[in-house]
Amino acid sequence: ETGVTQTPRHLVMGMTNKKSLKCEQHLGHNAMYWYKQSAKKPLELMFVYNFKEQTENNSVPSRFSPECPNSSHLFLHLHTLQPEDSALYLCASSQEVAASGNSGANVLTFGAGSRLTVL
Amino acid sequence: AQSVTQLGSHVSVSEGALVLLRCNYSSSVPPYLFWYVQYPNQGLQLLLKYTTGATLVKGINGFEAEFKKSETSFHLTKPSAHMSDAAEYFCAVTAGGSYIPTFGRGTSLIVHP
Repeated sequence: ETGVTQTPRHLVMGMTNKKSLKCEQHLGHNAMYWYKQSAKKPLELMFVYNFKEQTENNSVPSRFSPECPNSSHLFLHLHTLQPEDSALYLCASSQEVAASGNSGANVLTFGAGSRLTVL
Repeated sequence: AQSVTQLGSHVSVSEGALVLLRCNYSSSVPPYLFWYVQYPNQGLQLLLKYTTGATLVKGINGFEAEFKKSETSFHLTKPSAHMSDAAEYFCAVTAGGSYIPTFGRGTSLIVHP
């Protein structure tokens, strides 16, 4: 399988549940991202991992817990969520390029997303 | 810091008509610019990108965009809209060595028969 794969595609959970979203990339990329996409709102960057190290945490509530065991896998652990957390969660990856002349031309490859509904 | 403004949250065109989606950016250093498309129930995918060199960039599905530094714009065009072009389009920018793109709010393209 190629590209970025997200599972599950759809998830319904109660506010007291614990669940996880999984993302896997087969592109040999070194950077992985979680975005939240809500209706009527801009795309929100949540977390960035670069060579398995977290480099960005965009003031995300602690009920969202990311995990990146290796450069190919990224998880988002969910617990005690709120109804306003219902959204499409998108995973992306990119070939991180260190400081160089081409460091800004960073193309992201996105997965199809996990549609989360919190009841 | 860089930013992107997409004018118009919705653009409606007839099939066969010209498509024009507007994007203006703000950056204190030379930017890299991107257009992504999101079809229903899918993630974003790259349409085209501008890095350096030729300011008119051609992408997939007949789309193209022109980088105009004097206008700080990177508008997306297609000569003739097709029903299959109906989707959400996002403009994005990276600059100054930051490899994390800043996305615009998106423009929904509606194509009427």
